[in-house]
Amino acid sequence: KAGVTQTPRYLIKTRGQQVTLSCSPISGHRSVSWYQQTPGQGLQFLFEYFSETQRNKGNFPGRFSGRQFSNSRSEMNVSTLELGDSALYLCASSDRSASGGAGEQYFGPGTRLTVT
Amino acid sequence: DAKTTQPPSMDCAEGRAANLPCNHSTISGNEYVYWYRQIHSQGPQYIIHGLKNNETNEMASLIITEDRKSSTLILPHATLRDTAVYYCIVRVSYGNKLVFGAGTILRVKS
Repeated sequence: KAGVTQTPRYLIKTRGQQVTLSCSPISGHRSVSWYQQTPGQGLQFLFEYFSETQRNKGNFPGRFSGRQFSNSRSEMNVSTLELGDSALYLCASSDRSASGGAGEQYFGPGTRLTVT
Repeated sequence: DAKTTQPPSMDCAEGRAANLPCNHSTISGNEYVYWYRQIHSQGPQYIIHGLKNNETNEMASLIITEDRKSSTLILPHATLRDTAVYYCIVRVSYGNKLVFGAGTILRVKS
């Protein structure tokens, strides 16, 4: 099976712009989660989507949003970019169902966003 | 999710076993212990998880104490490629939110 893919891998944006990042989960996985990693804050959970519904949300401002499509692919959007949004954005997919049970998450390589 | 405590860094000689400890004294009965690692600038990689019993897979072994308040990840024969940040995470059995701490930087030296 192909792994989790994220596009683009690198991105440079200007403060005030918006950006959309894409994540394609492992085939058959219906859960997609997004994380932000910065040197100061470490790895932080942004949100999770399962079957096109946001199931969980981290403590981030409303400028951060996401969605999931019927084929489980997911996008996240950051509007009005700030310098502090520079980070590695990671996507993870899981075949863990909504009813629970243990299961691992598989991470993609990430998108490195630089805001200037 | 319960909080975990890990040493900030550890060194291990190549070929020797690396034993990475984790304290999770507030763990609840329905919370699993997960271990991930992250090699520089790559996405985290799942290693192993467990609930009560010790677990072993091709990568590592997980030893959970009987009271479940602590665990140890064992890499039986560490190689230079095992140099990474290792995260111990406790999570409930539903949902997919992972709460990462600072982790342990493991340096394997030749």
